[in-house]
Amino acid sequence: QKEVEQNSGPLSVPEGAIASLNCTYSDRGSQSFFWYRQYSGKSPELIMFIYSNGDKEDGRFTAQLNKASQYVSLLIRDSQPSDSATYLCAVNMVTGGGNKLTFGTGTQLKVEL
Amino acid sequence: GAVVSQHPSRVICKSGTSVKIECRSLDFQATTMFWYRQFPKQSLMLMATSNEGSKATYEQGVEKDKFLINHASLTLSTLTVTSAHPEDSSFYICSARKQGKNYGYTFGSGTRLTVV
Repeated sequence: QKEVEQNSGPLSVPEGAIASLNCTYSDRGSQSFFWYRQYSGKSPELIMFIYSNGDKEDGRFTAQLNKASQYVSLLIRDSQPSDSATYLCAVNMVTGGGNKLTFGTGTQLKVEL
Repeated sequence: GAVVSQHPSRVICKSGTSVKIECRSLDFQATTMFWYRQFPKQSLMLMATSNEGSKATYEQGVEKDKFLINHASLTLSTLTVTSAHPEDSSFYICSARKQGKNYGYTFGSGTRLTVV
C-alpha cells in the first residue's frame, strides 16, 4: 500500500463548478496535511494545510480532514481555467530521522471553458 | 513570508562532470532543508534531509557519495551531483519550513538538470 494515494485523473470539470480532489494516507500517526498545486515544469506551490479534523476554508479552497478514515480532500469552488494543474497531497510523517513530507502522485485537474 | 530561493534554474552538463545546486531561505532560518527529485509525470521523491551543522540523512536507495549535501549555514544548503550521468537528468527541488504552526513547507523554484 502506498503511503499517500491519489487518483491520477485527469479530473475534468466545467468552469464555475466545484472540483473535488481526494487523498488517503496510511500512517495513522500523521499530524499535518498539505495541498500543493504544481503547474507543468514548475515547482509546487502551497495552497493550504490542515491539522485538525473538519473543514478549513481559504478563499475558494476548502480542505477537509478525517483522521479516523485517514482521508483528506480539497474542494475548489468556482473553478477557473487557471486552476488547471496537478494537485499534490502531502502528509507530514514523523520518523526516526525527524519530520518527513511524503507526496502522493498527484491528481491532474482540467477546468474546461 | 517564507521564501526559498534555488539556483540555477536550468543547467546542462556533460556526462562525468559535477553540478552544484544552491538552496537559500531568504527571510527565515532553516535548520533543516529537504531535497527532492521529480522525474517526468511522477511525483516528488525525497532524496535527503539536510541538517545544518551535521550530516545529511539520505533516503533508502539514494547514493550519498553521488549526491553530496552541505548545509553550512542556517540559510544555505547545497546539493552537488557528482559524476553526473544522463539518468541523473531530472527536476531537483529543495524545500524548507519556517518555524510556527502557520507555515507549511515552501519549495524553491527547482533546477532542471540535463546531462548530455
